[in-house]
Order: sequence, then structure tokens, then C-alpha cells
Amino acid sequence: EPEVTQTPSHQVTQMGQEVILRCVPISNHLYFYWYRQILGQKVEFLVSFYNNEISEKSEIFDDQFSVERPDGSNFTLKIRSTKLEDSAMYFCASDRGQKGNQPQHFGDGTRLSIL
Amino acid sequence: SQQGEEDPQALSIQEGENATMNCSYKTSINNLQWYRQNSGRGLVHLILIRSNEREKHSGRLRVTLDTSKKSSSLLITASRAADTASYFCATAPTYGSSNTGKLIFGQGTTLQVKP
Repeated sequence: EPEVTQTPSHQVTQMGQEVILRCVPISNHLYFYWYRQILGQKVEFLVSFYNNEISEKSEIFDDQFSVERPDGSNFTLKIRSTKLEDSAMYFCASDRGQKGNQPQHFGDGTRLSIL
Repeated sequence: SQQGEEDPQALSIQEGENATMNCSYKTSINNLQWYRQNSGRGLVHLILIRSNEREKHSGRLRVTLDTSKKSSSLLITASRAADTASYFCATAPTYGSSNTGKLIFGQGTTLQVKP
């Protein structure tokens, strides 16, 4: 069964550095998402992306965050200048669209540790 | 309480028993989904129930939805040790006629099934 894959599985970065998290969504999916989960807390929505543009973003997704689909397969999340509070698990997800009435398929996540 | 609150927060049962988890939410929704998360892994989609459905089954899983009470329940019958995981409900809110697929997750229920 096709899967969403995320790399790297663990990223350690110094505060203030830029980081790029990578995702390969399922190939025939149309909607793409990033979520994050701070240790011990709930999964939080960051951004949804469709037709090469952001369709919705949360308050967390400020100017330090950006997303890109640089080619037909990758979907990336960039944090420009990381802060300690950005330490979390970041999950990528995708679905086939149809106005949200589709299950989202999640990757195994990237654990981001900011030192 | 916030959107997508589950109870109980933790549940410990013996193998073979049934496990019931509840979820409450606050806004109008397009659908409600249940996910499982094994420790350190991504979220695995279990079942999606649309706002016009009241009950749905999938194998040993039974989900109910009561939109008048804004609540849902997940029943796992004949539990197995392998069902040990965290279970999250996630709601897809509606914004008039638009829907970006965003999911709002609850805090989750940690289920331990003892062999």
C-alpha cells in the first residue's frame, strides 16, 4: 500500500538555523498538510496546500514558516530561523481531496530538536 | 473544553474486553475521524464518519456520531495486546460551503491492553 514518507526521521539543529523537512505524499493525492505534535500534547494543524498554494494556515504558521512543492513528488516545510519552542514531531499528510471527506494518510514524522 | 476532547485520558483493560472511548467537539463538522498512534510513530487512519451518518463499522471497530450532542464514540471489541496505542478523534470543521481538509485533533486516549 502506498505510504507518505518523511525525511529525515530526526533532525537536530541549533537555534536560529534554517531547517527543511521533506515529505513525499502519496502520488495520486491532491491535498497536502503539515501538522506538529509537541511532546505530550495534541497534534496541531499547521497548513494545508492544494493546487500549488496554501489553502489554510493556522496561527502557528507565521512568517518563519513556508511550504513548497518544488516538483511533482516532494512537499517541504521550511522553518527559516528556528526557536526552542519549534522542537516537536512534524507530520506530513495527504489525501485525495473531495472537500475534506477523505481520510488523511500520515507519514511517520520528523522529530525536530532545537538546541 | 476544546474541540475534539476525548475521555477517558487513559484506559487499561484485559485482552478480550471491549474498550470505549468518547470524543466531544464544539463546531459544525464535515466529518469526524479516528486515528491510532503507536509510540513514536505516525497516525494511522481507522475510520471516517460523515456528519450525516450515525454509525459505522470496520472490523472490530464501531463508531457512533451524535451531531446534536456534538459527540462521538469509538468501540473496540475483543481487544488484543496489539491494540495498545493512543487513539485520537479529529474533526474536519466546516466553513460555510468551503472545506480545506484541516483536521482538529483531541488530546487522545491512551489505551493499554494487558495480555
